[in-house]
Amino acid sequence: DTGVSQNPRHKITKRGQNVTFRCDPISEHNRLYWYRQTLGQGPEFLTYFQNEAQLEKSRLLSDRFSAERPKGSFSTLEIQRTEQGDSAMYLCASGPAYQETQYFGPGTRLLVL
Amino acid sequence: GNSVTQMEGPVTLSEEAFLTINCTYTATGYPSLFWYVQYPGEGLQLLLKATKADDKGSNKGFEATYRKETTSFHLEKGSVQVSDSAVYFCALSDLGGAGGTSYGKLTFGQGTILTVHP
Repeated sequence: DTGVSQNPRHKITKRGQNVTFRCDPISEHNRLYWYRQTLGQGPEFLTYFQNEAQLEKSRLLSDRFSAERPKGSFSTLEIQRTEQGDSAMYLCASGPAYQETQYFGPGTRLLVL
Repeated sequence: GNSVTQMEGPVTLSEEAFLTINCTYTATGYPSLFWYVQYPGEGLQLLLKATKADDKGSNKGFEATYRKETTSFHLEKGSVQVSDSAVYFCALSDLGGAGGTSYGKLTFGQGTILTVHP
């Protein structure tokens, strides 16, 4: 069991730039989630996929955010025209079908200058 | 909508002290309840869970009982260790629980920082 991996672990960018994060879930898990965590707060749900289908998106996910999961394997989260308010930890989690438990990756910490 | 409220932190205890971290929730239907822990520099790890009323989740000496009548899921440990120092998050899963067949997003509380001194 290699666990959920995320890359990069840290990203510093300038306001207005685009960034892309990658998540590799546990291989047999067909459910994949993205969350955002700001300092001193609990994670907030952004979006989730069952296989390659994006089933739900939070209102937090503005038009500048897009997520994909081609072929139901890894997923990417892209933020266009980053803003300072996008600075946060972006967490990915995966889970098997018909089980509630989600397994989290280490996160990607984004800092927008 | 769903929400989770945790007791205000941080919590500072001496080793071997008793720990309680309060958690209450608001949800429709029959949510499943979780405690996750985040050790310094590490990702979120599932600590324990309960899927229906009166269930008790337990792991590593920690316990929490799903109380539907008080909508609570308080975390307890009889004797904490320095290695328990971490941030603890209470969470609920929408559409989960007994009778549910689909499992969706987690709603988290704001987290409680626990520091245990020798």
